[in-house]
Amino acid sequence: QQPVQSPQAVILREGEDAVINCSSSKALYSVHWYRQKHGEAPVFLMILLKGGEQKGHEKISASFNEKKQQSSLYLTASQLSYSGTYFCGTGWSGVNDYKLSFGAGTTVTVRA
Amino acid sequence: DGGITQSPKYLFRKEGQNVTLSCEQNLNHDAMYWYRQDPGQGLRLIYYSQIVNDFQKGDIAEGYSVSREKKESFPLTVTSAQKNPTAFYLCASSLGLAGAGNEQFFGPGTRLTVL
Repeated sequence: QQPVQSPQAVILREGEDAVINCSSSKALYSVHWYRQKHGEAPVFLMILLKGGEQKGHEKISASFNEKKQQSSLYLTASQLSYSGTYFCGTGWSGVNDYKLSFGAGTTVTVRA
Repeated sequence: DGGITQSPKYLFRKEGQNVTLSCEQNLNHDAMYWYRQDPGQGLRLIYYSQIVNDFQKGDIAEGYSVSREKKESFPLTVTSAQKNPTAFYLCASSLGLAGAGNEQFFGPGTRLTVL
C-alpha cells in the first residue's frame, strides 16, 4: 500500500519554511526521503527508523511519529536548490522484505 | 568510483519490439530493483532481486522480464506485451533490506519512448 504524501505541491520564496508529510495506514519500520530534479535520478536525503528518531542535514530535517505512522520532512530557510520533487519511501514493520513503497511525491518550487 | 550505471540514457523503439535496458552496479550490493516512473507520478516497483538467480515480481510486473545471472547486473526486458511502455526507468540497489533501513542507491535512469 502506497504511503500518502501531502501537500501535492508547495511554492515558497527563498528563506521560507515548509513541511511535507508522509502517512501510512500500516505500521512503519523505516522511512526514506529522496529529492528528484526533473529528468534525473532521486537523490537520497535521509532514512528514519522506528523509534521516533529525528535526523537533519543542513537545513533539511525529518521526524518519525510512530503513534501517527507518519514522517514529516522540514525544509528550513529554503534555498533555490531545494526545488524539486520530494518522495518518501516506506518499509513496513513486521514484513521481512526488501521492497519500499513510494508516495506520489510533493513538488517544491522555491522562488527568489 | 562506485555506483550504478544504466544505458542508454535515451532509447527509442517501434511498437511491438522487445527492448532490454541495462543496469550494472559495482557497489557489491545484494539487492537490485527496477522502478518505472510516469510523468507527475511516484516510483512503481517492477521487479526486484535479493540474490543472484532469484527475483520477485513487484507491483507492475506484467509485460516485463528480468534476469540476475551475476551479482552486479540486473537487465530489464520490456516486452511487446507491455501495453504502455513509454516511461522513465530507474534501477536501484541496496546492501541489505531496504525496508529495514538500508539506503537504496539509484542509477541515472533510461527514458524509453515507444513510437
